[in-house]
Amino acid sequence: EVQLVESGGGLVQPGGSLRLSCAASGFTFSTYNMNWVRQAPGKGLEWLSYISSSSATIFYADSVKGRFTISRDNAKNSLYLQMNSLRVEDTAVYYCARESIVGGNFDYWGQGTLVTVSS
Amino acid sequence: QLVLTQSPSASASLGASVKLTCTLSSGHSSYAITWHQQQPEKGPRYLVRLNDDGSHIKGDGIPDRFSGSSSGAERYLTISSLQSEDEADYYCQTWASGIRVFGGGTKLTVL
Repeated sequence: EVQLVESGGGLVQPGGSLRLSCAASGFTFSTYNMNWVRQAPGKGLEWLSYISSSSATIFYADSVKGRFTISRDNAKNSLYLQMNSLRVEDTAVYYCARESIVGGNFDYWGQGTLVTVSS
Repeated sequence: QLVLTQSPSASASLGASVKLTCTLSSGHSSYAITWHQQQPEKGPRYLVRLNDDGSHIKGDGIPDRFSGSSSGAERYLTISSLQSEDEADYYCQTWASGIRVFGGGTKLTVL
């Protein structure tokens, strides 16, 4: 069974940093491209970042470019999101999502981890 | 610019059918999309990948009540025999090199 489990969320002050993790199991993690997506309270889904299976290709949404860094450790079956210079508007539930083997569409999601940026 | 447009809300009666629409922006009518369901207080779930020719790939365990179709720049999700658990937010998603895009979502109410 495919499982994606996010962790690392919590309360952080504006300007602070946080590192999210996504533990993957039930599939060969090293062969799949991965993404981070967030959802602010009461809002829709917002794509944040993509990383290819080998980490060779990385993309970011403009809203987080220069502040967030995606990475992965295929030996540990884990995906990460380093978030720096956090703003109040970064408050959201953060999800990791696997892309299908054919690419593009997300076919499995985690349950999410809540990040609250507040003083 | 690659944009997906969805109606904010839809409603239909228990046991009836409903057709949700996702519209691709101009110049992108050949793009595939994916439909995702998000029930209240839950993470999203992949429903179906839908190509411009109407061919589709469903997610694991998705009931036959959920089906997809295409016409021009529009992509549809039809849910038949509506059940109470179908009350949820439905998002379409597409992709291009360097970007992944979500529609604004449609909140489906089952009456």
